[in-house]
Amino acid sequence: DTAVSQTPKYLVTQMGNDKSIKCEQNLGHDTMYWYKQDSKKFLKIMFSYNNKELIINETVPNRFSPKSPDKAHLNLHINSLELGDSAVYFCASSQDMRGYTFGSGTRLTVV
Amino acid sequence: QKEVEQDPGPLSVPEGAIVSLNCTYSNSAFQYFMWYRQYSRKGPELLMYTYSSGNKEDGRFTAQVDKSSKYISLFIRDSQPSDSATYLCAMSALISSASKIIFGSGTRLSIRP
Repeated sequence: DTAVSQTPKYLVTQMGNDKSIKCEQNLGHDTMYWYKQDSKKFLKIMFSYNNKELIINETVPNRFSPKSPDKAHLNLHINSLELGDSAVYFCASSQDMRGYTFGSGTRLTVV
Repeated sequence: QKEVEQDPGPLSVPEGAIVSLNCTYSNSAFQYFMWYRQYSRKGPELLMYTYSSGNKEDGRFTAQVDKSSKYISLFIRDSQPSDSATYLCAMSALISSASKIIFGSGTRLSIRP
């Protein structure tokens, strides 16, 4: 059983399209996150939800909209995709400050 | 200045060598200090975490934290080719009832057989 699962694994799409990435965790954690990893491997936090409530919202274009229907799911919708959005997007969950469990990532390529 | 600084490498050492990976940080609010390992095209996996200054050992891995110098290290003894990966240091602080982890930029490590 995968602890944190993301779909899709790969996403290739044209500029201007709208796309969604889904994330589910079966660890019973209260908090979920979206991170973006650029081509230089730098991981930057985008959003955090605690029990379906938005807790952290970093400086992210409002084309990115997270949604948490319940504490086990956190989806990310991206409108009007741009070339600069190409990256690997990681979902993660945690119960406390001692570390996250990451999904395997969604590799987004905007052409 | 970035909150967490990490030498990106790449670092290449022969099998069996001792590896030392380091990070510095600027925010005194960080409470937990972690090391993650990331293989190519995989998600980061938590290797170790520490809370206070001092050493913590787990098999061939030792994590060291010096809060007074704002400096953390990861030592790998008897390095193996399977240790080849990107190593990310990370630190967490509590923000509005949720933990926020800030990552270093990662050090790419290669162990030569």
